Amino acid sequence: QVQLQESGPGLVKPSQTLSLTCTVSGGSISSGSYYWSWIRQPAGKELEWIGRIYTSGGTNFNPSLKSRVTISVDTSKNQFSLKLNSVTAADTAVYYCAREIQYYYESSGYATSFDYWGQGTLVTVSS
Amino acid sequence: DIVMTQSPDSLAVSLGERATINCKSSESVLYSSNNKNYLAWYQQKAGQPPKLLIYWASSRESGVPDRFSGSGSGTDFTLTISSLQAEDVAVYYCQQYFSTPPTFGQGTKLEIK
Repeated sequence: QVQLQESGPGLVKPSQTLSLTCTVSGGSISSGSYYWSWIRQPAGKELEWIGRIYTSGGTNFNPSLKSRVTISVDTSKNQFSLKLNSVTAADTAVYYCAREIQYYYESSGYATSFDYWGQGTLVTVSS
Repeated sequence: DIVMTQSPDSLAVSLGERATINCKSSESVLYSSNNKNYLAWYQQKAGQPPKLLIYWASSRESGVPDRFSGSGSGTDFTLTISSLQAEDVAVYYCQQYFSTPPTFGQGTKLEIK
């Protein structure tokens, strides 16, 4: 059974960098059949996709956050990480890591639905 | 970005009755080459992460009870719970994966009447 677990500080000061790590267990993050994503959810609001990383190290980001986001992977630790810089109160949210199923069509891989999620971690941006 | 709009925002249904949640995308999520609709449905219970229920608009995820079904094509989709159980109280989200960024609906809160 695949499990994902987010970790990192629950409180970040404005203008600083939010850093989170997702540890994957029960399966290898290097499997070529999946992508690894970060998604956030402000209290009482809808889900917002932040970005994803491929096992090759390639990344995609939400254009709304692209200038502030870095996602990296450490296959030796079976982890991937999120950095979001220059945070403001608007970045306060529950942050989830999730596995995205890869669909192969016409020799290309495409990201589809999210089949496993971490429990989420609340990050508050406040001085 | 493709905008996903769900209706209603909240819904109260009696136990054993049918619940229907709608989702409309701002552009078609049907890929004509493979005739697949790039749409998923999730259930989120209080304090928990979302759980995948339906993918490709109508394929049920393993382990999901068969009272949950998805239908629709193009821009209009429906999640139906045929006979509401107490454990189905949750917020339900649709999500498109036709284009990046993947986007979610605003959610529909389902309660017991």
